[in-house]
Parts: sequence; C-alpha cells; structure tokens
Amino acid sequence: NAGVTQTPKFQVLKTGQSMTLQCAQDMNHNSMYWYRQDPGMGLRLIYYSASEGTTDKGEVPNGYNVSRLNKREFSLRLESAAPSQTSVYFCASSERAGAISPLHFGNGTRLTVT
Amino acid sequence: EDQVTQSPEALRLQEGESSSLNCSYTVSGLRGLFWYRQDPGKGPEFLFTLYSAGEEKEKERLKATLTKKESFLHITAPKPEDSATYLCAVQSHTGGFKTIFGAGTRLFVKA
Repeated sequence: NAGVTQTPKFQVLKTGQSMTLQCAQDMNHNSMYWYRQDPGMGLRLIYYSASEGTTDKGEVPNGYNVSRLNKREFSLRLESAAPSQTSVYFCASSERAGAISPLHFGNGTRLTVT
Repeated sequence: EDQVTQSPEALRLQEGESSSLNCSYTVSGLRGLFWYRQDPGKGPEFLFTLYSAGEEKEKERLKATLTKKESFLHITAPKPEDSATYLCAVQSHTGGFKTIFGAGTRLFVKA
C-alpha cells in the first residue's frame, strides 16, 4: 500500500521556468491538499480539493495553479518559478471533506529555484 | 484568525529523561487538534487526534493531553529513536476543510 506518492523527489529550476508536481493517492480519499514547508514557518496550505471536481485557494496560492485530474490525482503547477518558491512541497489526502480526519502525507518534493 | 504556536523550538534530552512539548492554539471553535511526527526527509506521520478539553491519548512512550487553550505531548523515558520533529495542528469550525499547523518542535534524544 503506497499511500500518497509524489514525483519528482527533487527539482532545480531557473527563475521563470515552469513545472508540474504530481501527486497520487491509493486510499480512496475524497480530499487532497498541497502544502509548502519552510524553516521556522510550519506547513502552509497552498490549494486544496475537497472532492473530485472542486479546488479552492489556501493560505498562500499566489504563483500556483492546481488540477484535480481524478479522485486519485492532484497536481500543482508553477507557471513561472521564482526564488521565493524554493521550498519543500507536500501533498496530502484525507478521507472526506467536513470530517475531522487526519492528513496522510507524501514524502515531499524538494524544489530549488535559482 | 486560527493560530498555533509550539514551544520550545528545539529540545535536547538524554535517553530516559522525560519532558513535555507545548502547543498553544487560538481558534474560533475547535473541531480537532492533531499531533504528527516528522522524520528528516519524510512527510509528517499522524499520531493523535484530540477533540475536547480533558481528553488524553497514549501511544507507547507518548501521551497527548488537551485543555481549552493548549495541548501537551508528554514523552516518558524517551529513546534515541524518538528523535524527530513533532507538529501540532488544528481544525476549527470556521476554518472549513483547512488544517493549520504550528512550526514544530525538534526533539533530539541522546543515548
């Protein structure tokens, strides 16, 4: 049982380049999330998808777009990368929107923008 | 605005030296408080959910407690393998589907 799988694990971009971070879960969860983690700041929510077909902005959405491709997959796109987007990105899923359910995380994508 | 503050930022213990980590929270109606463990290079791993003041949960050497303003993660007789970053997070009635995280406490346990 893989849980939440993120690709790639590492990426280096130059300012202005674009890329898509991929995330897939095999737990039949309804809700999926993208967080970024920076030293001393904790995990901050970028975007989330409460259920298939819906997406909403989180705390820090600027510079990002998302796509809920199907129930399993939720991708995060950086259209024009900036050094401020250097971070560790985590995808997570939970059973269903509205329930008090814990998040299940992938192992992250470490992104450096030069 | 929902807020979570964890202290201390880092904690160094000798093996067997019990201690507690603190999580203070400010929310508009708490739905649930979560504790996670995060190892270097990995994603956070769920430990506990607490729902109301007075509730306690235990798992091996860890015990989580909850009051109306804060939560404690008590570590009894820690071992080196307990070294990790411990994250506290909350869901509130006004926060919708969002989980708000604290910055974490880095725990180092020396043999």
